[in-house]
Amino acid sequence: SQTIHQWPATLVQPVGSPLSLECTVEGTSNPNLYWYRQAAGRGLQLLFYSVGIGQISSEVPQNLSASRPQDRQFILSSKKLLLSDSGFYLCAWTPKDTQYFGPGTRLTVL
Amino acid sequence: QKEVEQDPGPLSVPEGAIVSLNCTYSNSAFQYFMWYRQYSRKGPELLMYTYSSGNKEDGRFTAQVDKSSKYISLFIRDSQPSDSATYLCAMFETSGSRLTFGEGTQLTVNP
Repeated sequence: SQTIHQWPATLVQPVGSPLSLECTVEGTSNPNLYWYRQAAGRGLQLLFYSVGIGQISSEVPQNLSASRPQDRQFILSSKKLLLSDSGFYLCAWTPKDTQYFGPGTRLTVL
Repeated sequence: QKEVEQDPGPLSVPEGAIVSLNCTYSNSAFQYFMWYRQYSRKGPELLMYTYSSGNKEDGRFTAQVDKSSKYISLFIRDSQPSDSATYLCAMFETSGSRLTFGEGTQLTVNP
């Protein structure tokens, strides 16, 4: 069966520090992968999606970036965090007709 | 106007009640419809998935889709305190395309 992992589970970072969040999927090959952000009490905002290695599409221009160095690995990065980057970051993958989410990373920027 | 509108919460019901959660959408190209349940501080969990108009039942949960009215619903029978969570509707046009989500409805089932 397929499993999606995210780490770290929680992170507290100072403003201006770098960020790296990792997502990996097991049990499948060539998945479509997605990064979402969910602010407290709000819906899901799509940040990036990838249909293959090195193929990244950005939905929201901001100080975040994404990379896909391997087929089942998706990384979300920032060179300098802002207060507004705080939130719950979710990775998801898509088999044919639906989408499954990872456990999420809760990021607090102070 | 948002493509997907979800009934705002929060919703509070007594244990055993029938719960109705609803979403409307404006994009007639949406073909696939899903409901997710999200517990606090957890990732969304897929509850129900349906493609066609009509009803789909899974235990205490029934998903209903009315494409002519652009309206979907999730019914929870005999609601339990463990059903307390935020429920998100989601939909997309074609296989592999991006999902559009509702804002979510927070449900509390009181024992």
